Amino acid sequence: DTEVTQTPKHLVMGMTNKKSLKCEQHMGHRAMYWYKQKAKKPPELMFVYSYEKLSINESVPSRFSPECPNSSLLNLHLHALQPEDSALYLCASSQDHRQNLGYGYTFGSGTRLTVV
Amino acid sequence: AQTVTQSQPEMSVQEAETVTLSCTYDTSENNYYLFWYKQPPSRQMILVIRQEAYKQQNATENRFSVNFQKAAKSFSLKISDSQLGDTAMYFCAFSGANNLFFGTGTRLTVIP
Repeated sequence: DTEVTQTPKHLVMGMTNKKSLKCEQHMGHRAMYWYKQKAKKPPELMFVYSYEKLSINESVPSRFSPECPNSSLLNLHLHALQPEDSALYLCASSQDHRQNLGYGYTFGSGTRLTVV
Repeated sequence: AQTVTQSQPEMSVQEAETVTLSCTYDTSENNYYLFWYKQPPSRQMILVIRQEAYKQQNATENRFSVNFQKAAKSFSLKISDSQLGDTAMYFCAFSGANNLFFGTGTRLTVIP
């Protein structure tokens, strides 16, 4: 299995809702990432997990709460979002968090989130 | 701080022709990796090609090749025999210590 699977593919939620995004990989990768991407912009890093521990939080608002229950699974819990949080949320994984070793990322196809 | 610059927001190329996408970067690191990712309308970011800074030989993957000029900090992508399926956003990326830094992207359209 060489894929990163993200569910759901599309999500519409109200500003008072609580929802979760899910990301799964079975490649044995030990680093997993959440990125946010606005239209026609590059992905922006949100969180990095290395060996199931949060290693980087790019000053993301607390209404986004990541969770890594095991080495294959990464969740992003959403609560009280704002319309400006509408974006494509991409999950990625890598063999190791040390990107200067050249592993690169394998990306999922993303969740298109709309906050109304 | 690492920065990645893609100066061509949009480009187009005729089917079967060759096109070159530009990327420059800035870093004080000596060993690093550079990547080109492709993001078609289907949204998934797909790795196109990777280059290690220590290797002088330019990376090649089928119709895709790079021109890596380390001293100039330039990393361009050449697509030969362009196909309709090459239509996508292309992002250049630089490997930081713990994550990749992406350029702003070039939207490539292949015209039939």
